[in-house]
Amino acid sequence: GNSVTQMEGPVTLSEEAFLTINCTYTATGYPSLFWYVQYPGEGLQLLLKATKADDKGSNKGFEATYRKETTSFHLEKGSVQVSDSAVYFCALSDRAGGTSYGKLTFGQGTILTVHP
Amino acid sequence: NAGVTQTPKFQVLKTGQSMTLQCAQDMNHEYMSWYRQDPGMGLRLIHYSVGAGITDQGEVPNGYNVSRSTTEDFPLRLLSAAPSQTSVYFCASSTQGGGYTFGSGTRLTVV
Repeated sequence: GNSVTQMEGPVTLSEEAFLTINCTYTATGYPSLFWYVQYPGEGLQLLLKATKADDKGSNKGFEATYRKETTSFHLEKGSVQVSDSAVYFCALSDRAGGTSYGKLTFGQGTILTVHP
Repeated sequence: NAGVTQTPKFQVLKTGQSMTLQCAQDMNHEYMSWYRQDPGMGLRLIHYSVGAGITDQGEVPNGYNVSRSTTEDFPLRLLSAAPSQTSVYFCASSTQGGGYTFGSGTRLTVV
């Protein structure tokens, strides 16, 4: 079956530090990959996505590249801000047979705290 | 505003009670799904639907029922609430090849 593994957290950084959150996946088909962010007390917001190998998703200074050879989709940001403090989820939507059935498989989430 | 609307936002139930969590979307998305979020476990799929009249089980379906009589609505029913169902519940909708839109969540406590 499908699975997503994220690096264990929580992650604590100082403002302007470099961020990497590792994500690896197992899928039976050709998945689309996503990063979602959840701010305290809120729902999930799509941060970025990639739909095929070597695609790079980017948004708000965050980037992630779809690496099929290493089955990875690591999230990076060059300089984090206090406002980036949130929970980050890696997820995949498997497109076995060329369709996506509206199902997401999530990693366990990584709590990021950024201090001034 | 277009999107996914979940009600209620908060609910406290006694063990054995039943209730329905409502989910509605106005984007004409064909796919809808329910997830529960528990600490350290990410979000897990409860049930999903690929269109009106079609539903299927996800990873953790026990104790929950769903139906999809219209494209817009996808209610989640708890038949006999148990403390293990204390969680935050999210509904999402999506299209073929598109992104997923999530509701703001329902925080359920079963005592």
